[in-house]
Amino acid sequence: ELKVEQNPLFLSMQEGKNYTIYCNYSTTSDRLYWYRQDPGKSLESLFVLLSNGAVKQEGRLMASLDTKARLSTLHITAAVHDLSATYFCAVDRRGGAAGNKLTFGGGTRVLVKP
Amino acid sequence: EADIYQTPRYLVIGTGKKITLECSQTMGHDKMYWYQQDPGMELHLIHYSYGVNSTEKGDLSSESTVSRIRTEHFPLTLESARPSHTSQYLCASTRGGVGELFFGEGSRLTVL
Repeated sequence: ELKVEQNPLFLSMQEGKNYTIYCNYSTTSDRLYWYRQDPGKSLESLFVLLSNGAVKQEGRLMASLDTKARLSTLHITAAVHDLSATYFCAVDRRGGAAGNKLTFGGGTRVLVKP
Repeated sequence: EADIYQTPRYLVIGTGKKITLECSQTMGHDKMYWYQQDPGMELHLIHYSYGVNSTEKGDLSSESTVSRIRTEHFPLTLESARPSHTSQYLCASTRGGVGELFFGEGSRLTVL
């Protein structure tokens, strides 16, 4: 059974500083996704990581994937208040002929303070 | 931008009522999913479908049922709602391949 663990579960950030969110998963996979969820809203896709060593960047966010370590990181550079949200990683099990079944981590709630 | 719609967005009902949560997408995606999420918590897959007339149960056992008669439509039904069904239900779809899921806005259900 695939397990996906994120840490920390809660991250209080100061504006202007850098932080990292970690996502570990328990079985082999080479497809990992990062989503953002604002309170009361749905999930917004941030990054799709499809191979070992993949790195994607968008604005102050950068995500990477190490399939050998079964680890993905989401790095936040110079945090700003707009980045306050809950961030989820998800791993594709790709079981059977069809696949595309995502298992989500527990989420990291990020609060950026002035 | 993803075109996937859920109705109702909010629903408050009494115990024992039958409810149907609607989900429609206009992207022609074959694969559709229902996830259940308690506030601030992780998402749990409860149902999925890989095409018309194909439905499977997910990881989290659910008393709800689903149907897939048309590609664009994937409704979820609870025959007799209970307070334990109070949660947010998120519908998603993907065309497959890369497998990026696109989510609807969610249906927040409260059963009194």
